[in-house]
Amino acid sequence: ETGVTQSPTHLIKTRGQQVTLRCSSQSGHNTVSWYQQALGQGPQFIFQYYREEENGRGNFPPRFSGLQFPNYSSELNVNALELDDSALYLCASSPGQADNSPLHFGNGTRLTVT
Amino acid sequence: AQSVTQLGSHVSVSEGALVLLRCNYSSSVPPYLFWYVQYPNQGLQLLLKYTSAATLVKGINGFEAEFKKSETSFHLTKPSAHMSDAAEYFCAVTATGFQKLVFGTGTRLLVSP
Repeated sequence: ETGVTQSPTHLIKTRGQQVTLRCSSQSGHNTVSWYQQALGQGPQFIFQYYREEENGRGNFPPRFSGLQFPNYSSELNVNALELDDSALYLCASSPGQADNSPLHFGNGTRLTVT
Repeated sequence: AQSVTQLGSHVSVSEGALVLLRCNYSSSVPPYLFWYVQYPNQGLQLLLKYTSAATLVKGINGFEAEFKKSETSFHLTKPSAHMSDAAEYFCAVTATGFQKLVFGTGTRLLVSP
């Protein structure tokens, strides 16, 4: 069983640039969520995708956007990067929509904005 | 709105000693509660979850947690710490509707020989 995989593992961008992060969900999982984890903090919910539709969003500006593809993989796009966007971005998949379905996390993409 | 508070950003124990990591939650509805562990440069791994069945929940690696509604707590324990338990531990509560997890700020567990 293949787990959640994210790419790239590390990324350095300049303020004002755009970035795309990718996530392959675990086999059989149709729901993907994205979290931002700033240094020394707990992860914060960005948004969730279910069957290619955004299904919930946290307190993040519109320059954070995403996609989910028919194979349930997903992308997180961030436009007009700011220094505060530097963080570990975590993707998580789950097999369903129930609130008690555990999320399976990938190892994350560490984004540094200079 | 749901929230969790983890008391103590760092907890230090000796190998073989009891591990106790504290988590208090706030929720307007019956919560689902989770403990996750994060090793350096890795994602989060689920240790255990409470979903309103048994109040004492057993997880992986010898960890367990007890849901106490009267105290709004969900503390994580392990009878005997091992060096490999050194990691960051996060308590989380589900906000109803779409699996949004609200995490605490984490507790770093340090285990000394």
